Amino acid sequence: NAGVTQTPKFQVLKTGQSMTLQCAQDMNHEYMSWYRQDPGMGLRLIHYSVGAGITDQGEVPNGYNVSRSTTEDFPLRLLSAAPSQTSVYFCASSYPPGQGKLYGYTFGSGTRLTVV
Amino acid sequence: AQTVTQSQPEMSVQEAETVTLSCTYDTSESDYYLFWYKQPPSRQMILVIRQEAYKQQNATENRFSVNFQKAAKSFSLKISDSQLGDAAMYFCAYKERFGNEKLTFGTGTRLTIIP
Repeated sequence: NAGVTQTPKFQVLKTGQSMTLQCAQDMNHEYMSWYRQDPGMGLRLIHYSVGAGITDQGEVPNGYNVSRSTTEDFPLRLLSAAPSQTSVYFCASSYPPGQGKLYGYTFGSGTRLTVV
Repeated sequence: AQTVTQSQPEMSVQEAETVTLSCTYDTSESDYYLFWYKQPPSRQMILVIRQEAYKQQNATENRFSVNFQKAAKSFSLKISDSQLGDAAMYFCAYKERFGNEKLTFGTGTRLTIIP
């Protein structure tokens, strides 16, 4: 099925551990983003990419790294996990606006991360 | 900075009735997108409807329609003939047409459908 695939769906980390959240899309979308969702705060942008080799910071980038080596994949790395990074993480992708295709982000099903 | 406000943390509606969810936003931009996303208990974020600010006509998608009032910076979602499957959190989101790819989300409205 076409869409955005995130792995793992659930993860528990100890403080100080590192890990990578995987995100892949098969819709040939140029744009990809990572968000975190915390209770009562909606979703906040961590990092985004407008194409392979191009990434930029969002609203809450500290403690996270990204890279975009292919159009399909956009992994999110937690360098040294902290309890404040306990959250649900969403990856999303979209066509760019104004290219004759409907603009709007398709989201993955999320990763629930707990840091203890 | 842009902000999105959803003033109704919870709403409920009888099955088959109509409900309207409110959203207001603050921006100094004139060209932007607005979205409504649905998040059922499965956690998946599902795009329900989109509106482009330069289009006067309100967007519709089957039972879902919006009332877009640009001058008032209001973007409400109307769900007609409510169904049990409509029960979810609904998020309003704003995005500048140009600039970075940040979607600004409201805090959501939890919609309950009463059988």
